[in-house]
Amino acid sequence: DGGITQSPKYLFRKEGQNVTLSCEQNLNHDAMYWYRQDPGQGLRLIYYSQIVNDFQKGDIAEGYSVSREKKESFPLTVTSAQKNPTAFYLCASSVTGAGDEQFFGPGTRLTVL
Amino acid sequence: QKEVEQNSGPLSVPEGAIASLNCTYSDRVSQSFFWYRQYSGKSPELIMSIYSNGDKEDGRFTAQLNKASQYVSLLIRDSQPSDSATYLCAVNRGYGGSQGNLIFGKGTKLSVKP
Repeated sequence: DGGITQSPKYLFRKEGQNVTLSCEQNLNHDAMYWYRQDPGQGLRLIYYSQIVNDFQKGDIAEGYSVSREKKESFPLTVTSAQKNPTAFYLCASSVTGAGDEQFFGPGTRLTVL
Repeated sequence: QKEVEQNSGPLSVPEGAIASLNCTYSDRVSQSFFWYRQYSGKSPELIMSIYSNGDKEDGRFTAQLNKASQYVSLLIRDSQPSDSATYLCAVNRGYGGSQGNLIFGKGTKLSVKP
């Protein structure tokens, strides 16, 4: 089955720790995205990548980092510099990244203790 | 600041009725418009995409786009309790290298009463 997987589903972190969220897709999509969703809020774009070995900052990139070494993988690191990391993190992908449909993974819920 | 506006609801309709969800956007050059359904605690699921003015129908769902008025809507016919969810409107930024990026509204919560 083709799709997008994210792991872990739930993640707990102590303040001051970096954590990495995994996102993998087997849809052969060129573009991948990371969003953050807070209660009662719309999705906000953190980082996006339209091609392997290239990525761009979104609207709220501060305190986050990404890599895109393989087409199918786009991990997100939440660093200790992110002041309010508790949120629902969603990874998405699209065929071209040129305004086409984006499909989402199941998400990772991060809680900072 | 490019924006997508939706009524937060909740919008309550009886089972079998038509639910009408509305969305306005600020970027005149946007070309791609999407509706996602999000159940509580789950990730968004794409239900409709529309790129041209007019109506697009898919089963019980109809998306309507009016670029002149910068308005996009979603109609759900014969609403079912399983349609109860938050519906997110998304619009692409429409310019340059970030044209693939979507701006999301905060969503409208729909409740279908049996």
